[in-house]
Amino acid sequence: AQSVTQPDIHITVSEGASLELRCNYSYGATPYLFWYVQSPGQGLQLLLKYFSGDTLVQGIKGFEAEFKRSQSSFNLRKPSVHWSDAAEYFCAVGEAAGNKLTFGGGTRVLVKP
Amino acid sequence: GAGVSQSPSNKVTEKGKDVELRCDPISGHTALYWYRQSLGQGLEFLIYFQGNSAPDKSGLPSDRFSAERTGGSVSTLTIQRTQQEDSAVYLCASSSKGRLPLHFGNGTRLTVT
Repeated sequence: AQSVTQPDIHITVSEGASLELRCNYSYGATPYLFWYVQSPGQGLQLLLKYFSGDTLVQGIKGFEAEFKRSQSSFNLRKPSVHWSDAAEYFCAVGEAAGNKLTFGGGTRVLVKP
Repeated sequence: GAGVSQSPSNKVTEKGKDVELRCDPISGHTALYWYRQSLGQGLEFLIYFQGNSAPDKSGLPSDRFSAERTGGSVSTLTIQRTQQEDSAVYLCASSSKGRLPLHFGNGTRLTVT
């Protein structure tokens, strides 16, 4: 069965500093990988996705993620964080057949002024 | 175009009452998913509809939970004889032809008192 681990439950970062959120997955075949963001009281917004090809993927809001098969990781990065990036971030893995997603437990990001 | 729409946005109910939660997917999306987001449990898959196929109900936690999708569009999630542990945010998502990624609504926050 597939699983996703986000080791960091909370991260605090200063505005303007860089951010990296970790994600490790367990999946038998080539995974479909996603990062979603959830602001308070809102649903999940897709930041970026990896299906195949270039292992460095660009997303919205200045985020990027790198797929590393050897490490079973798909870490999310942003070079310079804005106060509006304070939210909860979820990594997810999907089956190639394209139905349900399995989510990690989420990482809550707090941005200090 | 319009995104996934869920109603109500908030629902407070007494223990033992039945509740119905509604999801209106993105127009043209044939696949519809229900997830539950609760403290300590993260995001749990509940049920998946794809076109006219039999739904994947493997995530429903008990027989008090059921869902239907009428006319291949709007879906209703019904929880009978609600319990306090049913308190959570119920998220609906849809996708085009069952292909990833999923597009989420803002959720219904259910509180059982």
